[in-house]
Amino acid sequence: KNEVEQSPQNLTAQEGEFITINCSYSVGISALHWLQQHPGGGIVSLFMLSSGKKKHGRLIATINIQEKHSSLHITASHPRDSAVYICAVRKNNDMRFGAGTRLTVKP
Amino acid sequence: ETGVTQTPRHLVMGMTNKKSLKCEQHLGHNAMYWYKQSAKKPLELMFVYNFKEQTENNSVPSRFSPECPNSSHLFLHLHTLQPEDSALYLCASSQDRGGTEAFFGQGTRLTVV
Repeated sequence: KNEVEQSPQNLTAQEGEFITINCSYSVGISALHWLQQHPGGGIVSLFMLSSGKKKHGRLIATINIQEKHSSLHITASHPRDSAVYICAVRKNNDMRFGAGTRLTVKP
Repeated sequence: ETGVTQTPRHLVMGMTNKKSLKCEQHLGHNAMYWYKQSAKKPLELMFVYNFKEQTENNSVPSRFSPECPNSSHLFLHLHTLQPEDSALYLCASSQDRGGTEAFFGQGTRLTVV
C-alpha cells in the first residue's frame, strides 16, 4: 500500500466547476507538496505547506495534520488546468509521492 | 520555466548503447535529485546529491550511474539498459536537503528498444 493515497485517480469536469483533489498519507511528515505535471512531463510545484491553508490565484491547498489529509481546490476551473496533480510528502529527508490525479477540464 | 533544465527531452536507445542525461540548474541550490516516473506508478527517488556528495541511492541498479561534477550540474549515465527502464526521468533541485521546496526539470522521456 502506497504511503500517499490520492483520490480520485481521474477527474473530468466542465469549465467553471469547482474541483477538489484529496490526499491522505499514513506517515509523519514535515511538509506536504502539491505538484502539477503537464502532458509534456514537466512538473511545477504549486504549494508546499505544513499547516493550515494557502491560496494562489484560483488554487487553494489545505492540510489537516491530525487527520493526515490534504485537499487541493481549483475554483472556476479552465481547460488549461488539465494536468496530473501529484501530492508528495516529505518524511525525514525523503519525499514520497502519490500516484497522481489526472484532471481534464472540458470547455 | 522552473530554472532546472534537462537534456535531451527525448531519447531512444538500444540495450547495448551508452548514453547520458544532463540536468542543469543555476538557482544556487545545493541539493539535486534524480527521479524515475514509470507508467502508472508514483515518482520514485533514485539518487540524491547534497553539496556534490551522493547522500542517497535508493537501491538503483548499477546500469544507472550518477555524476555530480559541481552543484549546478547532474548527470545520469546509462548503459546496458533494459526495456523496462523506459520511463520519464526527472531532475529536481532544492536549496538544501531538508524541508525546502523542490524545483523540477521538464524530464527526459527515455525509450529503451
